[in-house]
Amino acid sequence: QVQLVESGGGLVKPGGSLRLSCSASGFTFSDYYMTWVRQAPGKGLDWVSYLSTSGSTIYYAESVKGRFTISRDNAKNSLYLQMDSLRADDTAVYYCARGNNWPTFDYWGQGTLVTVSS
Amino acid sequence: QSVLTQPPSLSAAPGQKVTISCSGTGSNIANNYVSWYQQLPGTAPKLLINDNNKRPSGIPDRFSGSKSGASATLVITGLQTGDEADYYCGTWDSSLSVVLFGGGTKLTVL
Repeated sequence: QVQLVESGGGLVKPGGSLRLSCSASGFTFSDYYMTWVRQAPGKGLDWVSYLSTSGSTIYYAESVKGRFTISRDNAKNSLYLQMDSLRADDTAVYYCARGNNWPTFDYWGQGTLVTVSS
Repeated sequence: QSVLTQPPSLSAAPGQKVTISCSGTGSNIANNYVSWYQQLPGTAPKLLINDNNKRPSGIPDRFSGSKSGASATLVITGLQTGDEADYYCGTWDSSLSVVLFGGGTKLTVL
C-alpha cells in the first residue's frame, strides 16, 4: 500500500535551517509529482511547493520562495525540503503528499512538526 | 485570508444533509479542477473528491462534489458523527501559479 513517511522536523532557532525528508513506498515514486503542504497549529492547509516527476518543474508559494528548496531522489524514493532562513511563522506540521491528476493530492504522510523559536 | 472562501463552520444533525461551498475566481476554480479533503481531528488530510466530482475508491457515495463557474460545492448526505472534521477545497491558480486551499470548514454533527 502507498506509504509516505516524513522525518527531519524539530526545534530550530529563527534564521536556522532544517531539511525534511519524505520516504515513499508502495508505488512507483518516479511516476508521480510530489508536493509539500504545511499546517500551522490550529490553522488551515497552506501549500508550500510542487515538484514534477523528473524534477524539471518546480513551484513555490510566495511565502517560501528564495528560502525553501524542494528536491527528489527517484533512486531513493525520497522527497526533500531544504528550509533556510526559517521564521517563526514557518512553525507548522509539514506534510508530503503524492500528486495525481493535477491538482489532486491523493495520499498524504502523517506529517512532521517544525517549530521555529528562540 | 484565503483566496478560496469557505464558511468557517457548519453544523447539522445526524442523518441530515450539509452543503459546503468554496468560492473562487476565474483564474482558479473556474478554469481548474477542484479537489476536496477531509481532515479528522489529529490526522492528516484525506482526499474525498477529485476532478470536481470524482470519488476515489473507498469514498462513500454520501459524499459528492460539483462545480459551477467559479464556485464548487461538497455535499454530504446521511450525516454520521464520524463525519465531524475539517473540510478543505483545493485547486490551482493559473495566474499565480500556486496551489490554493480554502480556509477550511469545521463540520459539527450534533
